[in-house]
Amino acid sequence: GDSVTQMEGPVTLSEEAFLTINCTYTATGYPSLFWYVQYPGEGLQLLLKATKADDKGSNKGFEATYRKETTSFHLEKGSVQVSDSAVYFCALVSGSARQLTFGSGTQLTVLP
Amino acid sequence: DGGITQSPKYLFRKEGQNVTLSCEQNLNHDAMYWYRQDPGQGLRLIYYSQIVNDFQKGDIAEGYSVSREKKESFPLTVTSAQKNPTAFYLCASSRGTDPQETQYFGPGTRLLVL
Repeated sequence: GDSVTQMEGPVTLSEEAFLTINCTYTATGYPSLFWYVQYPGEGLQLLLKATKADDKGSNKGFEATYRKETTSFHLEKGSVQVSDSAVYFCALVSGSARQLTFGSGTQLTVLP
Repeated sequence: DGGITQSPKYLFRKEGQNVTLSCEQNLNHDAMYWYRQDPGQGLRLIYYSQIVNDFQKGDIAEGYSVSREKKESFPLTVTSAQKNPTAFYLCASSRGTDPQETQYFGPGTRLLVL
């Protein structure tokens, strides 16, 4: 079945540091890939997505590139802010599935 | 403002009691979903509905029930058969029934067992 593996957290960075959160996947066919963000006590918000190989999703300074050859969709940001502190979820949906499959989430804390 | 509302924010359940979590959307979305989130884990799908009066079980439907009598509403009942109901419950909706449509989430309801 489909699965998503994220790097384990928590991740703690200083403000303005570079962020990478790794995400790899296993899926049948050509899945669409997503990053969601969850701020404390809230629901999830879509951060970015990519629907085919080599697509780059971007939003709010975050980027992720759909790499079919390495089955990866790593999240990056060049300079994090305290307000980026949240839990980040990688997710996919494949053509044969009827539901999103989520990774376990990565807690990010940014210190001033 | 369009969006998804969930109520209540916190809910307490006594042993043997059924409780119902509300989810309403005014986005005119066709599909709606219920997820359960446990600490340190990703989301797991409980039920989903692609059209009024129809719904499908997700990965962890046992101990839960749903209804979809109106397009904008998708309440979830946690029954006494659910032995470990303490969790954060998230409702979501998407415009179409294609599973690759972006899902939009509500703020969640935290259920605690007394």
